[in-house]
Amino acid sequence: AAGVIQSPRHLIKEKRETATLKCYPIPRHDTVYWYQQGPGQDPQFLISFYEKMQSDKGSIPDRFSAQQFSDYHSELNMSSLELGDSALYFCASSLAGRPYEQYFGPGTRLTVT
Amino acid sequence: AQTVTQSQPEMSVQEAETVTLSCTYDTSESDYYLFWYKQPPSRQMILVIRQEAYKQQNATENRFSVNFQKAAKSFSLKISDSQLGDAAMYFCAYRSAYNTDKLIFGTGTRLQVFP
Repeated sequence: AAGVIQSPRHLIKEKRETATLKCYPIPRHDTVYWYQQGPGQDPQFLISFYEKMQSDKGSIPDRFSAQQFSDYHSELNMSSLELGDSALYFCASSLAGRPYEQYFGPGTRLTVT
Repeated sequence: AQTVTQSQPEMSVQEAETVTLSCTYDTSESDYYLFWYKQPPSRQMILVIRQEAYKQQNATENRFSVNFQKAAKSFSLKISDSQLGDAAMYFCAYRSAYNTDKLIFGTGTRLQVFP
């Protein structure tokens, strides 16, 4: 079965640079969620989108922005990167009628040096 | 605000034995969902099992079952006939049924399985 696709899988950036993470949900899934998992931490919810509209917002820094496109894929844009942004970034997707079934992608490991 | 607590940072079990991972949560809501996610060394987050709060019957998925005690706000995971592939970090998570998308995770329990 098709799963959530995230790209790139690994990314190394320097402080103050920008990064763009991409997420392609499972086919027919229309809701996308972003989570950040720091080293040794549990995942923290950042933001979610349904039908290209932001549906919920968590602890996402103002330096980060995200959007969902007409094909339902989503991009997380991160600017003025800080060392503390180094983390595993997960994207998850679900069907609007089944939001309790969030399926996670493999994650993008971002390292800021 | 809702919180999820996993009081066991690490657990171990022998292959073919049974192990129970604990999870408690705090909420004032009456309707919500509870989950167990598995995160193996690959770091992929895999949904293991889900429980709807309005259902009294405990969820079961093959070797995985939960003991959901709503009044006690307890949601433990039992793994029967443990296998080496069960070794992973296990996260308990909560999701409100009211106008929010976010999953709230506990701090995780690392499960080791010994042959």
